[in-house]
Amino acid sequence: GDSVTQMEGPVTLSEEAFLTINCTYTATGYPSLFWYVQYPGEGLQLLLKATKADDKGSNKGFEATYRKETTSFHLEKGSVQVSDSAVYFCALSESGANSKLTFGKGITLSVRP
Amino acid sequence: KAGVTQTPRYLIKTRGQQVTLSCSPISGHRSVSWYQQTPGQGLQFLFEYFSETQRNKGNFPGRFSGRQFSNSRSEMNVSTLELGDSALYLCASSGLAGGTDTQYFGPGTRLTVL
Repeated sequence: GDSVTQMEGPVTLSEEAFLTINCTYTATGYPSLFWYVQYPGEGLQLLLKATKADDKGSNKGFEATYRKETTSFHLEKGSVQVSDSAVYFCALSESGANSKLTFGKGITLSVRP
Repeated sequence: KAGVTQTPRYLIKTRGQQVTLSCSPISGHRSVSWYQQTPGQGLQFLFEYFSETQRNKGNFPGRFSGRQFSNSRSEMNVSTLELGDSALYLCASSGLAGGTDTQYFGPGTRLTVL
């Protein structure tokens, strides 16, 4: 079945540092890929998405590129802020009428001032 | 546009009881999905409803059930509660029942089973 693997956490960075969070996936078809973020005590918010190979999703300085050849969707940001501290989830959904999201385990990011 | 709303936000129940959680999707959205989030298992898909029909179901026991009404509002029910059912239950809505469409999540209902 489908699966998403995220790098182990937690991750602690200083403000303005470069961020990379690795995500790889296994899927039978041509999935759409998502990054969601969860702040303490809240639900999940969509950060960015990509629906086909080589698409780049971007939002709030975060970027991720859909790499079909390496089945990856790594999240990057050039300069993190304290306000980026949250839990980040990589997820996929298969194409077609199925809306089911398969999530990775999530990774906690803490940014120090 | 109002977001996805879930009620109640917090619930405390005892083993053996049953519970009903409610979800109101974004206006105009017809697809509602439910997820369970626990520290050990992470985020797991429960089921999805579209136009009052269950389109997909995750790997959960029959104690977990749901339904969707004609106004797209959805409820999920858990019967004979177990300690392991303690979790954050998240509802998500989307405009279409399709994998490319973005799902928008509510704040969740925190269920504690004692």
